[in-house]
Amino acid sequence: AQSVTQLGSHVSVSEGALVLLRCNYSSSVPPYLFWYVQYPNQGLQLLLKYTSAATLVKGINGFEAEFKKSETSFHLTKPSAHMSDAAEYFCAVTDLYSGGYQKVTFGTGTKLQVIP
Amino acid sequence: DSGVTQTPKHLITATGQRVTLRCSPRSGDLSVYWYQQSLDQGLQFLIQYYNGEERAKGNILERFSAQQFPDLHSELNLSSLELGDSALYFCASSVEGVQGAPTDTQYFGPGTRLTVL
Repeated sequence: AQSVTQLGSHVSVSEGALVLLRCNYSSSVPPYLFWYVQYPNQGLQLLLKYTSAATLVKGINGFEAEFKKSETSFHLTKPSAHMSDAAEYFCAVTDLYSGGYQKVTFGTGTKLQVIP
Repeated sequence: DSGVTQTPKHLITATGQRVTLRCSPRSGDLSVYWYQQSLDQGLQFLIQYYNGEERAKGNILERFSAQQFPDLHSELNLSSLELGDSALYFCASSVEGVQGAPTDTQYFGPGTRLTVL
């Protein structure tokens, strides 16, 4: 089974600073990777996904992630943090079972705090 | 608004009881997924249904069951509730064609917060 590891359960950055949230995956086959964001008291929302088309993936709200096969990483970045980015971020990977259905495995999440 | 609706928003019940959580997927989505989110276990996949049939099972307890109806809405039944079942339960839906695409985006509902006293 595939898995993802998110380093750092809590990350604090100053407003305007670079955001870097780390995600490493383990996979024996080409992975399909996702980043989701969860704002307080809300469900998860897709930020971006890697579908093997391009290694640099751009998502919503100015976020992007780069797929690095050699490092088995899919880190999420944003050049300049905004107060509204404070949320919990989840990295996820898809298992593709025989028959074509998918099971998504989520990382443990990283809570991003933005300091004014 | 993801287009996925879940009812109720909050549920408070006692140990040993049984509850039913309801999910309506986005219009046109055939797959429904259930997840449990708790402080100690994180976000865990429970079960998936596709067009009325069970597709995949995750860490779902035997006390829990689910089904997807012909109109594609789904219900998650939790019985013999324990204190540890207190959590946020999310439903998600995706289009997912016959063969399924691993890149299909899952759209999450707002969740049902279950508190077992």
